[in-house]
Amino acid sequence: GESVGLHLPTLSVQEGDNSIINCAYSNSASDYFIWYKQESGKGPQFIIDIRSNMDKRQGQRVTVLLNKTVKHLSLQIAATQPGDSAVYFCAENESGGGADGLTFGKGTHLIIQP
Amino acid sequence: GAGVSQSPRYKVAKRGQDVALRCDPISGHVSLFWYQQALGQGPEFLTYFQNEAQLDKSGLPSDRFFAERPEGSVSTLKIQRTQQEDSAVYLCASSLPSGGTNEKLFFGSGTQLSVL
Repeated sequence: GESVGLHLPTLSVQEGDNSIINCAYSNSASDYFIWYKQESGKGPQFIIDIRSNMDKRQGQRVTVLLNKTVKHLSLQIAATQPGDSAVYFCAENESGGGADGLTFGKGTHLIIQP
Repeated sequence: GAGVSQSPRYKVAKRGQDVALRCDPISGHVSLFWYQQALGQGPEFLTYFQNEAQLDKSGLPSDRFFAERPEGSVSTLKIQRTQQEDSAVYLCASSLPSGGTNEKLFFGSGTQLSVL
């Protein structure tokens, strides 16, 4: 079946720099996208979501960009902090006939260097 | 409680043993999902409930896996005759009261199952 995947398994950034985590998806019918943060020993924690009728959405220190033409999703984290260290997953869903629940990518491990 | 609660937090089972994993969703959440997360991987969908109805169980890997939610709140995932390949973190999630599947999920901390 179609799936969501990530370009890089590990991303290392300096504290205070901006981080960009990328995600490619293959299901052109996907219309809902979401980013989760998962710290060690914890469940995924919601960060931000976006629907396919938008191409950008901003939250607190985070921005999600959606490019439907190339089926690409990115998460930008501004002024990265040590607490941002975690694995980040993108996930997608197709309404009106797609699989129930969210389909997750494999994750990117974000490492913050002091 | 304020979030999704799962128990036990850790479970060690001998191969062939039956296990039961419990999930308490956020109060009032209609939809409940079970996911399996292998080490270093993203969560994989197992099954979905809307209230007490199990609407999708396509992700259950074998007939040894069984889930129920008899009163539309607490759910139990049961694995019979556990095998080593069942070792994973089992995550439960619930979603907003409208009950749609195209919505953000709130996850519990998971049950880490180790089958020896």
